[in-house]
Amino acid sequence: DTGVSQDPRHKITKRGQNVTFRCDPISEHNRLYWYRQTLGQGPEFLTYFQNEAQLEKSRLLSDRFSAERPKGSFSTLEIQRTEQGDSAMYLCASSVAGGGYTEAFFGQGTRLTVV
Amino acid sequence: GQQLNQSPQSMFIQEGEDVSMNCTSSSIFNTWLWYKQDPGEGPVLLIALYKAGELTSNGRLTAQFGITRKDSFLNISASIPSDVGIYFCAGHINFNKFYFGSGTKLNVKP
Repeated sequence: DTGVSQDPRHKITKRGQNVTFRCDPISEHNRLYWYRQTLGQGPEFLTYFQNEAQLEKSRLLSDRFSAERPKGSFSTLEIQRTEQGDSAMYLCASSVAGGGYTEAFFGQGTRLTVV
Repeated sequence: GQQLNQSPQSMFIQEGEDVSMNCTSSSIFNTWLWYKQDPGEGPVLLIALYKAGELTSNGRLTAQFGITRKDSFLNISASIPSDVGIYFCAGHINFNKFYFGSGTKLNVKP
């Protein structure tokens, strides 16, 4: 399968614990996005990378959230000291930047439940 | 931040009927994308639009990039039960992040 891959698909954690999610984009895509989606809402932008550079972070992304894309390939999203309000679906997408024709393809998401 | 207004919020239709939904913004968009999302899954790209006035089809789906560049429309013809899901519009303003609408939930009665 050559699509966007996210791991794990589901994560249940206790409040206060740290969690880390991984995203493997489509191999030739240089852009990688993280979004968060709560029930009944559209995806909300968190951050995006072009190659290994993090180009933008949303104000939604508190200090407890950090994302990396160390070699411009896979990315990780870490949430420290999780809170119940962090419960959501975390979506990763990738695209090719440039040329004015940009389509973003999503992974299947990681469903986080904080108890 | 930028808001995309998507309507209707939900639709209940009979199998075989045609469906229309739309998305509007207060800003000019360079790209419009339409996605379908099933419960517990990530959004799946249906159609991408890049030029004002562009009309693009994908099977029974047709989408248009509005002339003002502030809106887009998605039509589904002859709906079938597997069309059930939530449809999202998304767009680019400056070729950086994508903004998403809040979705149109489609229910199809067999």
